[in-house]
Amino acid sequence: SQTIHQWPATLVQPVGSPLSLECTVEGTSNPNLYWYRQAAGRGLQLLFYSVGIGQISSEVPQNLSASRPQDRQFILSSKKLLLSDSGFYLCAWSGGVEQPQHFGDGTRLSIL
Amino acid sequence: AQTVTQSQPEMSVQEAETVTLSCTYDTSESDYYLFWYKQPPSRQMILVIRQEAYKQQNATENRFSVNFQKAAKSFSLKISDSQLGDAAMYFCAYRSSNYGGSQGNLIFGKGTKLSVKP
Repeated sequence: SQTIHQWPATLVQPVGSPLSLECTVEGTSNPNLYWYRQAAGRGLQLLFYSVGIGQISSEVPQNLSASRPQDRQFILSSKKLLLSDSGFYLCAWSGGVEQPQHFGDGTRLSIL
Repeated sequence: AQTVTQSQPEMSVQEAETVTLSCTYDTSESDYYLFWYKQPPSRQMILVIRQEAYKQQNATENRFSVNFQKAAKSFSLKISDSQLGDAAMYFCAYRSSNYGGSQGNLIFGKGTKLSVKP
């Protein structure tokens, strides 16, 4: 069966520091991969999605970037974190555009 | 652009009772998918139920069922025999079937917080 792993679960970082969140999927090949952010009391906002290695689409201009170095690996990064980057970050995968998305456990990012 | 609206920020239900969560959406498309996701305090996002717009029959998954009214652009979730473990945030989500640009991206509502009273 397919599983999705996301880490770390919790992260506290100072303003201006770099960021790297990792997401991996097991049990499937060539998944669509997604990064979402959930601000407190709000729904999910799509940040990036990828349909293949090296293929990244950005939905919102921001301080973050994403990369997909391997088929089942999706990384969310920042060179310099801002206070506004705080939130809950969720990675998701789907088997295709017609399939539902399945989410990881999320990373709670706090910026000090 | 498509939008999803959940007009109930919070709802409460007595254990073993039935509750209905509302969701409306706006789209000019005729073919799309609708989902309900559950997010318990652990924050994991769990798929509850899905509905294809081209299907007239309402989707059902055990105690969870939907009332899909395509003309009214309404997609409510009914939870029967509510259990304590049903307490969570519930998100309604829309996905276009226009694969050209969106690649299956979900558009979420802001969520409804459901409390279950023992």
